[in-house]
Amino acid sequence: EVQLVESGGGLAKPGGSLRLSCAASGFTFSSYGMNWVRQAPGKGLEWVSFISSSTTYTAYADSVKGRFTISRDNAKNSLLLQMNSLRDEDTAVYYCARDWTTGEDYWGQGTLVTVSS
Amino acid sequence: QSVLTQPPSVSGAPGQRVTISCSGSSPNIGSNNVYWYQHLPGTAPKLLIYRNNQRPSGVPDRFSGSKSGTSASLAISGLRSEDEADYYCAAWDDSLSVHVFGAGTKVTVL
Repeated sequence: EVQLVESGGGLAKPGGSLRLSCAASGFTFSSYGMNWVRQAPGKGLEWVSFISSSTTYTAYADSVKGRFTISRDNAKNSLLLQMNSLRDEDTAVYYCARDWTTGEDYWGQGTLVTVSS
Repeated sequence: QSVLTQPPSVSGAPGQRVTISCSGSSPNIGSNNVYWYQHLPGTAPKLLIYRNNQRPSGVPDRFSGSKSGTSASLAISGLRSEDEADYYCAAWDDSLSVHVFGAGTKVTVL
């Protein structure tokens, strides 16, 4: 069974940092690109970042570019999102999701990040 | 302001057919595949349509997708109460090099 489990969310101050993790199991993690998607309170879905299976390609939403860094450890079946210089508007539920372009989508349960002083 | 434009809401009676539009432009819908997601509060989003008109395994054939030029649409036929949710279109944008979601459409079953 495919499972994606996020962790690392919590409360951070503006300007602070958090690191989100996503533990993957039930599939060959190293064969799939991975995404982070977020939903702020009362708002719609926002794609945050993507990393290719071999880490050669990464992409970021303009809203997080230069502040967030996506990475992965294929040996540990783990996806990471390092979030620096956090802003109030980064408050959201963050989901990790397997590449959906093949028609099979898997998402984590989400982890809440709250940025507040 | 999303580069993909969806109506904020659509509604229909049980059994009816509703359509959700998604208007984009050449770098996104015009050049790439469109994806549709269903999102219920407190749950993870669910892929309904991929590659414009393909249904993932397990998605009822009441859901169908289409694309023409720089626009796409999702149709839900035989509307059911459990279809009440938010629906999002999405596509890769070649000029922005980002994956973009529409702002979402809330479907209400009357």
